[in-house]
Amino acid sequence: ILNVEQSPQSLHVQEGDSTNFTCSFPSSNFYALHWYRWETAKSPEALFVMTLNGDEKKKGRISATLNTKEGYSYLYIKGSQPEDSATYLCAPGDRGSTLGRLYFGRGTQLTVWP
Amino acid sequence: DAGITQSPRYKITETGRQVTLMCHQTWSHSYMFWYRQDLGHGLRLIYYSAAADITDKGEVPDGYVVSRSKTENFPLTLESATRSQTSVYFCASSEQEAQPQHFGDGTRLSIL
Repeated sequence: ILNVEQSPQSLHVQEGDSTNFTCSFPSSNFYALHWYRWETAKSPEALFVMTLNGDEKKKGRISATLNTKEGYSYLYIKGSQPEDSATYLCAPGDRGSTLGRLYFGRGTQLTVWP
Repeated sequence: DAGITQSPRYKITETGRQVTLMCHQTWSHSYMFWYRQDLGHGLRLIYYSAAADITDKGEVPDGYVVSRSKTENFPLTLESATRSQTSVYFCASSEQEAQPQHFGDGTRLSIL
């Protein structure tokens, strides 16, 4: 079992605020880091898959960075909107186990108030 | 339509019964996964499969059985259901490692 930590556990922001959260994971044996967005009563949807140290990905107002040497990734949301309200999950893959298997963190629950 | 489908969407059964949750994907993805979602635990991996006839245990495999005789199907069986197995179950698939996982809509299972 890989120890994946996400912080904060929950976050409440006003519409228009920018926000960010952290995912930390063991850096040894790393090969990929996934971010997923999970709305209530729906299923998780993939946002990004990152593999290279220093990698940056962007999708609209959401972006993510990756530091594989120190074992962390940041997810940023610029100008949060109520529709961004969801739980954001990170999931690293580990070469020490079967490739393809991910280890999900417990997520950061974001609520954006209008 | 292409995608990943789970059935049934909702199921109520009694303790001790055997129940099978179905998962079918049309992409011919190599990897398939079963997760359960529980309050306070997030998503926990039950079983996964890297290819047809290859399966492996995840974090919480006890009480569950899987098979993968065909690439597109990955059924999950609760051999003798217990109340602790009441949960929402998600199936997912991915083309290969370092590719995103695509999730089904989930099966809400209640065991009375």
